[in-house]
Amino acid sequence: DVKVTQSSRYLVKRTGEKVFLECVQDMDHENMFWYRQDPGLGLRLIYFSYDVKMKEKGDIPEGYSVSREKKERFSLILESASTNQTSMYLCASSLPTSGGFETQYFGPGTRLLVL
Amino acid sequence: AQSVTQLDSQVPVFEEAPVELRCNYSSSVSVYLFWYVQYPNQGLQLLLKYLSGSTLVKGINGFEAEFNKSQTSFHLRKPSVHISDTAEYFCAVSGQWRDKIIFGKGTRLHILP
Repeated sequence: DVKVTQSSRYLVKRTGEKVFLECVQDMDHENMFWYRQDPGLGLRLIYFSYDVKMKEKGDIPEGYSVSREKKERFSLILESASTNQTSMYLCASSLPTSGGFETQYFGPGTRLLVL
Repeated sequence: AQSVTQLDSQVPVFEEAPVELRCNYSSSVSVYLFWYVQYPNQGLQLLLKYLSGSTLVKGINGFEAEFNKSQTSFHLRKPSVHISDTAEYFCAVSGQWRDKIIFGKGTRLHILP
């Protein structure tokens, strides 16, 4: 079974802090994704990576950056946390395809509260 | 550009009754369609997906969905729901470069005893 783990289930940070969210997958997937999930808005893609050291902006990259130094690990960084970044953050991974027909496997999520 | 519309944000249904969760998509290219489920306090997991072939797709936990190209719909159905089906359901479409998936806003399924 594919396993995607996220470093924290719950996190409380203060405005202005630098926040690191870590995601690790154990199935040797090339693709990794970071989403945020907000009530009524569904899942919105922040960043994704299709290979080590490669990254692409998603739909809402502002205020975030990412790092992928190893294939199994994809980190989301909030450079200076703000209250509007309070959200549920979901990481996912998948095999690469030519059009996205592979299943995405999700971690359990990190619920971040920024005070 | 691709998009997904889930027509109902919440659907209440009595236990053992049938349910349909509606999803419409728009795309100018061939698409792949998915339904994912999120149980309380968990991440998403795949229920079923349509890639090609038969338009009726069967998934886990007794769910099925029908791809209707003329109506650009991919509605999810279950003939008899159980309390354990309480969850949020997301319709999604892909077919773009680099394997991006566009998710709908979700439908919360409430099972009434």
